[in-house]
Amino acid sequence: GAVVSQHPSWVICKSGTSVKIECRSLDFQATTMFWYRQFPKQSLMLMATSNEGSKATYEQGVEKDKFLINHASLTLSTLTVTSAHPEDSSFYICSARALAENYEQYFGPGTRLTVT
Amino acid sequence: KNQVEQSPQSLIILEGKNCTLQCNYTVSPFSNLRWYKQDTGRGPVSLTIMTFSENTKSNGRYTATLDADTKQSSLHITASQLSDSASYICVVSADTGGFKTIFGAGTRLFVKA
Repeated sequence: GAVVSQHPSWVICKSGTSVKIECRSLDFQATTMFWYRQFPKQSLMLMATSNEGSKATYEQGVEKDKFLINHASLTLSTLTVTSAHPEDSSFYICSARALAENYEQYFGPGTRLTVT
Repeated sequence: KNQVEQSPQSLIILEGKNCTLQCNYTVSPFSNLRWYKQDTGRGPVSLTIMTFSENTKSNGRYTATLDADTKQSSLHITASQLSDSASYICVVSADTGGFKTIFGAGTRLFVKA
């Protein structure tokens, strides 16, 4: 199947700093990428949907100025957590949907963010 | 309201046994239903995808069924292995032009030796 990578796989940062997480589709072009957050023992919560070349659509309750999403190419999307706080500590997962496939979503391995 | 409910919330079985996980949904208009396996600390991995016209789909020891009339799906795992221990997530997409996706809370499966 298609491969989606995330970098870094884990990161520890101090409160007040910003962290950027990259999501790449390695062997296909992704017109749409999704960013999720997952707290322990809970399911994935969609944060935002981004289409290449346009602004991301954020879910209700997600601060767009805090979670900056850039989808500059068909293979790369980035999520920047600005002025991170301990409550932002979570598992962030991206997924990508291929141009030619309406149904399948390929997920990245996730990024564990810990804010101290 | 579009919802996906999974049961049981968690399940413990002995290695080698079979088990069945349930997924009920109220998503409309229905587009497709997917089952994912998520190991702890990893991203979800697709097991099966089914559209409206498909009743069953297999992937090795995993067999998913879909009853679009009753809006129910099940995931049957045969001859469980220790490596099957994971969360199994049912995901249903609505065909609203933008394919809105609704995630179930997942079933946590523990396979014991």
